[in-house]
Amino acid sequence: GGIITQTPKFLIGQEGQKLTLKCQQNFNHDTMYWYRQDSGKGLRLIYYSITENDLQKGDLSEGYDASREKKSSFSLTVTSAQKNEMAVFLCASSIRGGRAETLYFGSGTRLTVL
Amino acid sequence: GDQVEQSPSALSLHEGTGSALRCNFTTTMRAVQWFRKNSRGSLINLFYLASGTKENGRLKSAFDSKERYSTLHIRDAQLEDSGTYFCAAETGSWQLIFGSGTQLTVMP
Repeated sequence: GGIITQTPKFLIGQEGQKLTLKCQQNFNHDTMYWYRQDSGKGLRLIYYSITENDLQKGDLSEGYDASREKKSSFSLTVTSAQKNEMAVFLCASSIRGGRAETLYFGSGTRLTVL
Repeated sequence: GDQVEQSPSALSLHEGTGSALRCNFTTTMRAVQWFRKNSRGSLINLFYLASGTKENGRLKSAFDSKERYSTLHIRDAQLEDSGTYFCAAETGSWQLIFGSGTQLTVMP
């Protein structure tokens, strides 16, 4: 079986800082996603990518950049961290066009901004 | 082993009937969320529970931290309820651990 690895697990930043989160998958999946989870709320889609070098904006893309330089990795950059921001960022991948498409998630990166 | 076991992996219902999805946890979880995946691949939050039960329309969810399980009940299923449902457990370290999903198909 495959795995999705997110690094780091915990990220502490300063207000205004540029922060990068990384995600690697060895499923050989085409599509990768970044979601944001705020306490007590559902996940919201930030960016997704259907293939290498592709980027699609989700509902929450403002304030973020993403990069899919190769099929197995998808990075997310917080362009300017907001003070007192706390959230969990979840990376996921899926088989493109699968009939019973399944999202596989990483275990998350928890961001705290001081 | 897996900390969240979701069952069944697939479920077929006829319109107007109902059933339940279940997630069992191997450890004590702080809270649970249930999601449904929409056509864009986003997970739409259905319920967030730290304890007890919640109801919304034809959906009802329960979470028992002590007994280490959560359920999602669907009644009077409609065609538009078809999709993939996930539970996700919030651990003490505030990480989310997702179940493997239930593919629900509602048939006329």
